Amino acid sequence: QVQLQESGPGLVKPSQTLSLTCTVSGGSISSGSYYWSWIRQPAGKGLEWIGRIYTSGSTNYNPSLKSRVTISVDTSKNQFSLKLSSVTAADTAVYYCARYVSQHWDAFDIWGQGTMVTVSS
Amino acid sequence: SSELTQDPAVSVALGQTVRITCQGDSLRSYYASWYQQKPGQAPVLVIYGKNNRPSGIPDRFSGSSSGNTASLTITGAQAEDEADYYCNSRDSSGNPSYVFGTGTKVTVL
Repeated sequence: QVQLQESGPGLVKPSQTLSLTCTVSGGSISSGSYYWSWIRQPAGKGLEWIGRIYTSGSTNYNPSLKSRVTISVDTSKNQFSLKLSSVTAADTAVYYCARYVSQHWDAFDIWGQGTMVTVSS
Repeated sequence: SSELTQDPAVSVALGQTVRITCQGDSLRSYYASWYQQKPGQAPVLVIYGKNNRPSGIPDRFSGSSSGNTASLTITGAQAEDEADYYCNSRDSSGNPSYVFGTGTKVTVL
């Protein structure tokens, strides 16, 4: 059974770059027609899609974050990563990685447990 | 980009039926998927496509869609169904992206 696990610093200083990694276990990140996404949720608020990557390396980002976001994949490590630059307190949130199934499902079927990132000096 | 609007909160008596709605232009083109989120936990997919449940999701959860509105119905709500529910769909504004609804807090009385 495929599982996702986020990892990375829980505290980032303002103006710096937030970096997180999602490790895929129980299956190959390269198998199947999946998009691998990052989603975040500020405390007490709703979900916001950040961006996605296909194993070919093709990416798409939320237009509101596009100028600051980079998502990459390392198939040899079965991981994909998020970098969010020039962070502010507004970027404080729980960050989730998730698998998106496009064929017949059009849904995020597997989620990581989430990791809390606080932006503060 | 597209927006999906949900009622902030609804309540339902134990064993009764509750319907949660999600409105947005993108729903005229794409099906919604629905996620249940309990406090401190990651969202869980409960409905996808026209009306499909992943393995392990009780059949009291069902979905439907008409025009620009998607609905999630819980028939015979249980105490464990108390949670936040979010809809999601592809963005229809031309950007290859996704949008989440504003979320609905379901309270089981």
